[in-house]
Amino acid sequence: SYELTQPPSVSVSPGQTARITCSGDALPKQYAYWYQQKPGQAPVMVIYKDSERPSGIPERFSGSSSGTTVTLTISGVQAEDEAEYYCQSADSSGTYEVFGTGTKVTVL
Amino acid sequence: EVQLVESGGGLVKPGGSLRLSCAASGFTFTNAWMSWVRQAPGKGLEWVGRIKSKTDGGTTDFAAPVKGRFSISGDDSKNTLYLQMNSLKTEDTGVYYCTTIIDNGDARDYWGQGTLVTVSS
Repeated sequence: SYELTQPPSVSVSPGQTARITCSGDALPKQYAYWYQQKPGQAPVMVIYKDSERPSGIPERFSGSSSGTTVTLTISGVQAEDEAEYYCQSADSSGTYEVFGTGTKVTVL
Repeated sequence: EVQLVESGGGLVKPGGSLRLSCAASGFTFTNAWMSWVRQAPGKGLEWVGRIKSKTDGGTTDFAAPVKGRFSISGDDSKNTLYLQMNSLKTEDTGVYYCTTIIDNGDARDYWGQGTLVTVSS
């Protein structure tokens, strides 16, 4: 089955930049989406279609794509950005969707 | 205002069945692709399955662990999405969310509050 691989954790100081990668063979063909989830809450989409940001999401969140890897960048990290982040995409046929393994972002 | 409200979770024995509901409002239900996502306790998000909009064929797809046991349907007259879960296993335990993305040039995601399903003897 198709898998998306993320680093388990990323630690960053306030004001610095956090980068979270997501790797998958079908990413050159399928869009990626990024979700933020805080404990006890439903996820919130912070990036869609690789690099689009929904209205209401702070500009410090951005997304990029290169080959089989997509990256979520949080510039000028704030304490409130501490959360679990998941990428999501589909297999090459677009039939089956999958979430990445998740990355815990810790703000030091 | 878009709202998704799940119901139907609870405790069920292995091998049993359960039907979850997701009442939708604030958007055109018949035009939306709707998905179910679950999260086992302390674990990550897992895509369960999806139903395409009627205009896109209304077909369903499921993740391998639930294929053949789960089904998704919608009642357009009630703006309600269903997840029928049969032959439940202990590993199906978790919080189940219904979710959709509405893209009118500026995409927004919407999630229900989640409903807990516990499969245990």
